[in-house]
Amino acid sequence: EVQLVQSGAEVKKPGESLKISCKGSGYIFTNYWIGWVRQMPGKGLEWMGTFFPGDSDTRYSPSFQGQVTISADKSINTAYLQWSSLKASDTAMYYCASGDSSSWYVYWGQGTLVTVSS
Amino acid sequence: DIQMTQSPSSVSASVGDRVTITCRASQGISSWLAWYQQKPGKAPNLLISAASSLQSGVPSRFSGSGSGTDFTLTINSLQPEDFATYYCQQANSFPYTFGQGTKLEIK
Repeated sequence: EVQLVQSGAEVKKPGESLKISCKGSGYIFTNYWIGWVRQMPGKGLEWMGTFFPGDSDTRYSPSFQGQVTISADKSINTAYLQWSSLKASDTAMYYCASGDSSSWYVYWGQGTLVTVSS
Repeated sequence: DIQMTQSPSSVSASVGDRVTITCRASQGISSWLAWYQQKPGKAPNLLISAASSLQSGVPSRFSGSGSGTDFTLTINSLQPEDFATYYCQQANSFPYTFGQGTKLEIK
């Protein structure tokens, strides 16, 4: 059974750094793209970017390029989303998602709630 | 970026009704379109890929159609569990983009 398990909720202050994780199991981690999706409170889904662990190919939405870094550690089947300096506007639920197609997301993590507040 | 515009933004319907949601792309995306359902507090669930291919386990009352720039999601004979928010997503080219969502509410 394919599973994506994300790290727990975070409460941070503006300016702090953060790295959240998404651990895949039940499939060959290097074969599937992993995407990240933001959902701000009460709002819709926003595609942030995607990463292919097989060759580290990374694509970002222009809206998020330079604001976040997507990476992965193949040795532990884990993908990451990180910020170097959080803003209050980064407060949101963040989902990782994957699938055997690079195009659609069959599998989703449970979400990581990030709250940024002074 | 390819912009995805859904309509309506919200719709009220009754159990047993048929509902159609549309999604328009700002440029042609062939059949590179998916539909997701999201319930409050839950991750999205993929319903349809490649514009019309029903995912395994998704009830047959859901169907998708369209190609190019105009797409539809149809739900026949609405069930109580179908009241949720629906999103389209284009996968024709990076960056992938979602529509703004359509909230399906009980009348």
